[in-house]
Amino acid sequence: NAGVTQTPKFQVLKTGQSMTLQCAQDMNHEYMSWYRQDPGMGLRLIHYSVGAGITDQGEVPNGYNVSRSTTEDFPLRLLSAAPSQTSVYFCASSYSPIRNIQYFGAGTRLSVL
Amino acid sequence: TQLLEQSPQFLSIQEGENLTVYCNSSSVFSSLQWYRQEPGEGPVLLVTVVTGGEVKKLKRLTFQFGDARKDSSLHITAAQPGDTGLYLCAGGSASNYQLIWGAGTKLIIKP
Repeated sequence: NAGVTQTPKFQVLKTGQSMTLQCAQDMNHEYMSWYRQDPGMGLRLIHYSVGAGITDQGEVPNGYNVSRSTTEDFPLRLLSAAPSQTSVYFCASSYSPIRNIQYFGAGTRLSVL
Repeated sequence: TQLLEQSPQFLSIQEGENLTVYCNSSSVFSSLQWYRQEPGEGPVLLVTVVTGGEVKKLKRLTFQFGDARKDSSLHITAAQPGDTGLYLCAGGSASNYQLIWGAGTKLIIKP
């Protein structure tokens, strides 16, 4: 079982560059989400989706875009990278939003210089 | 704004000792989850508790949900180096899709 797959694992960007973080899951989960993890701050929700074609903002959405064209894929786009976006990014998926038991990818470590 | 406070933030103990990690809030949650995260990996679910007063055991780990469903604890008996990691609690509400996360407890068990 592949579970939740994130690519790339590491990325270095210059300020102002754009990029897309990829996330794919093979568990047929409807609910997917993106988090960022910073030291001492736990996980903060960026965007989430409850199904193909449906997305919504989380706690810290500014500077990020998402789309959900298929059940399997949920890419996260950084439009114009800033040093404040240096973080570790996690994608997660879940069977049901009610109990919110989430399965996480291994993360993308992003540095913006 | 819902908040989950975890304590302690950092704990370093010797192998064989017991420890308790706490997760507290002023809000009521419909479910409370505990995850463990190892360096370079995503969090992995350990347990979900949903009923006030519920106690669940996972080998040497004991999880408890407070009677009022506002707090939870994780107790580890006879800690082992393999227990080392970041422990995160997350509260869920039946009314929305967003989990509320604690900042985590970094646990180091020294051989």
